[in-house]
Amino acid sequence: DIVMTQSPDSLAVSLGERATINCKSSQSVLSTSNNKNYLFWYQQKPRQPPKVLIHWASIRESGVPDRFSGSGSGTDFTLTISSLQAEDVAVYYCQQYHSFPLTFGGGTKVEI
Amino acid sequence: QVQLQQSGPGLVKPSQTLSLTCAVSGDSVSSNRATWNWIRQSPSRGLEWLGRTYFRSNWNYDYGGDVRGRITIKADTSKNQFALQLDSVTPEDTAVYYCVEDRGIGRGLDVWGQGTTVTVSS
Repeated sequence: DIVMTQSPDSLAVSLGERATINCKSSQSVLSTSNNKNYLFWYQQKPRQPPKVLIHWASIRESGVPDRFSGSGSGTDFTLTISSLQAEDVAVYYCQQYHSFPLTFGGGTKVEI
Repeated sequence: QVQLQQSGPGLVKPSQTLSLTCAVSGDSVSSNRATWNWIRQSPSRGLEWLGRTYFRSNWNYDYGGDVRGRITIKADTSKNQFALQLDSVTPEDTAVYYCVEDRGIGRGLDVWGQGTTVTVSS
């Protein structure tokens, strides 16, 4: 199984400041057949299911504010919130779709 | 707009079978592109993918390692729904269970049910 490791477990950021979340996979999630990273980011707010924020490591879902960005390739990925807003308080998860079983990181709790 | 509506009991006794159903609207469980997943979430295990079913000329199934041997996922095309069955449950199976669709358009696990809190206790 591919193990997804996120860091930090939690972080507190002032409003308007940058938040950076890291995700490392135990094996590469880059597909050599189509050169896509099978890495997704999700946001989960209290009492809600997770919601896709970023697909293929760096492409924002429709409607996701452009302060959210994803980067990285292979085994190392980053989710950045460039200017934290109050509504961004949530837990963020990375997930690999390269091989089964699908696996998630442990989550990063972002607080103000 | 696709919606998933979960149903099933919130309390199951140890050694018994956990059964949940997910009713699909806005898509077909027989879709040749979508996959139908069950995922659970608990403080101790985080988000854990349990398995999936999908139709590509015939029905296919994939199951996660930790529950393999105890899990069955089945689709019911007449009701446009899919179901999870987890046998011989223990308190370790206590979690919020989600049914989830991957619509097959490269957006990941992009439609989630509302979640069902299942407690395993006598």
